[in-house]
Amino acid sequence: AQTVTQSQPEMSVQEAETVTLSCTYDTSESDYYLFWYKQPPSRQMILVIRQEAYKQQNATENRFSVNFQKAAKSFSLKISDSQLGDAAMYFCAYRSNAGNMLTFGGGTRLMVKP
Amino acid sequence: DAGITQSPRHKVTETGTPVTLRCHQTENHRYMYWYRQDPGHGLRLIHYSYGVKDTDKGEVSDGYSVSRSKTEDFLLTLESATSSQTSVYFCAISFTGQPNSPLHFGNGTRLTVT
Repeated sequence: AQTVTQSQPEMSVQEAETVTLSCTYDTSESDYYLFWYKQPPSRQMILVIRQEAYKQQNATENRFSVNFQKAAKSFSLKISDSQLGDAAMYFCAYRSNAGNMLTFGGGTRLMVKP
Repeated sequence: DAGITQSPRHKVTETGTPVTLRCHQTENHRYMYWYRQDPGHGLRLIHYSYGVKDTDKGEVSDGYSVSRSKTEDFLLTLESATSSQTSVYFCAISFTGQPNSPLHFGNGTRLTVT
């Protein structure tokens, strides 16, 4: 079974600075998909970014980008120019190309200091 | 907006009572999921459905049952609620069911079992 680990329960960043959230996963598969979700205090789960394992190029969505290291099974999220609205729980998730299940990490709570 | 409505939004119930949570979608997507969220565990899959009357178990299905008699409704039932089932429950849908298709989540139901 695949596992997803987020080793940083909490992180903080100064407004306008850059922060990187870590995620590692364990799988024996070569074809899969990775996602980052944001959960603000409203409890809504919001897709931030996704990465296909077969793509070498790192995904980017505005201020959000990933550093995907397939051999190391690492999928970190970089948030540039942090804003107060970025404060939330962030979840890394894995989905096999062959399965229906999205497996989540335990989450990282990001605090943004003004 | 993926058109997902969960009800109720909050519920408090006593140990041993049956509880049913409802997920309703407005867009006739085939794939629907129930997750529970607990601190330190992220979100874990309880059950999912890939069509009317077609359901399967996730990683934490013990103590839960589901039903899907119509495309738009996916019900999660706790036959006899226990305190360990105190959690936030999320319903999700997948637009295509393909592995690269992200899940879209409802706003969650906070269930407290006393």
